[in-house]
This record gives sequence, C-alpha cells and structure tokens, in this order.
Amino acid sequence: GAGVSQSPSNKVTEKGKDVELRCDPISGHTALYWYRQRLGQGLEFLIYFQGNSAPDKSGLPSDRFSAERTGESVSTLTIQRTQQEDSAVYLCASSFEGLTAYEQYFGPGTRLTVT
Amino acid sequence: SQQGEEDPQALSIQEGENATMNCSYKTSINNLQWYRQNSGRGLVHLILIRSNEREKHSGRLRVTLDTSKKSSSLLITASRAADTASYFCATGGVNTDKLIFGTGTRLQVFP
Repeated sequence: GAGVSQSPSNKVTEKGKDVELRCDPISGHTALYWYRQRLGQGLEFLIYFQGNSAPDKSGLPSDRFSAERTGESVSTLTIQRTQQEDSAVYLCASSFEGLTAYEQYFGPGTRLTVT
Repeated sequence: SQQGEEDPQALSIQEGENATMNCSYKTSINNLQWYRQNSGRGLVHLILIRSNEREKHSGRLRVTLDTSKKSSSLLITASRAADTASYFCATGGVNTDKLIFGTGTRLQVFP
C-alpha cells in the first residue's frame, strides 16, 4: 500500500509568516510522530500522537509550534511567526501502534526555508 | 537532548570492505533500531534488536547489542556504492512511546 506522504515537499516562507505542514500516515497506523532535522544533524523529536490525542508534546520547541491530528489519519504541524532558526527538514513517521516496539515508517519530509 | 551518540561521525571505505558503526546510549532501553537516510530526506528502517537479544542478522547487516555497556554496533559486510548514506541508531525506552535518535554516521562507499 501507499507509504507515508508529506506536503509540501519544499516550502520557502518569509520570516514572521505562518506555515502548515501536512502528513498522511499509512492507513491503519495509530501512532504518528513529527521530527525536525537541521542540516547535518540528527532527528529531534517534536510530538507524538496515539490516535488523535497527543500524550507527548515534550519536544515542541516553543508555543509557536502546534500540531493536530484528525481521527487516526492526517496530521498538520503549524508553525506561527516563523523564524530563521525554524529552517529544517520536518519529518513525519507512523507506526502500527504506539510503543517503540514497532518500526516507524517515514515520509520524505518537508524542507522548510525561512528567509 | 539526544540519547544516542554514534561513532564515527563519518566513514569512507572502498566497495567490498566491511563498515562498522557504533552507537552508545545512556538510559535503559526496550529496544534499539537502526535506520538509513539517503540525501537528507526520509529514513528507512533497517533492523530492530530487543533488549534481551545480543545479535541479529538481516542480509548483509549484523547488529549487536551489549546492554551492560549500553552500546550497539551495525556491521555492513561486502559494502556497495549503493550503501552510501547516513545511518542512525534510535533507542526505544522502557516507559516511553518515542524513539530517541543518535547523531548519525555518514558512510561513503567508493566504487
């Protein structure tokens, strides 16, 4: 079946504007994760959804970042009043269930550039 | 903060040679996973080893886990140019639903 998809693939925005990033997980996957990866760095955990609830938001770097998930489907990550340090690749992953016993399937990412 | 530290940060080898990457972590884990990333985009899961396992194989990949030393290694045998990528370890904690990723090893395999 289809893998995890993300849109847009690339986004260039001006500092101070809001952006919305979308993730479509694999059908039937109840767990969904958002990560941020700066150039040449590892993955930074942002938020985790189990169904449409978010039991772990500990990685969101500031109150400018928020995320929601509709049912056990699409998730959107919103960054308000973007700053240059928000420039990164934002990766979404889904897994069959929560708990780390299951592998995560990653989308191709959204490359965000804030000018 | 990142749980996993990987070494080396970068590794260059010739095709046919073996590549070994190491990962160290700090707290108790449920499992440890290895992922590959091409060109800075999506990651691909390679292998998962549980905390009660010591070694696991998948094709040309061999993963070991030493929980007493809080370390793991990924061995790629008979490397190919197509193995060129960044490799990340990720730890699954005992009381958490999230993976913590290491800093990655950039592997370059020259034909």
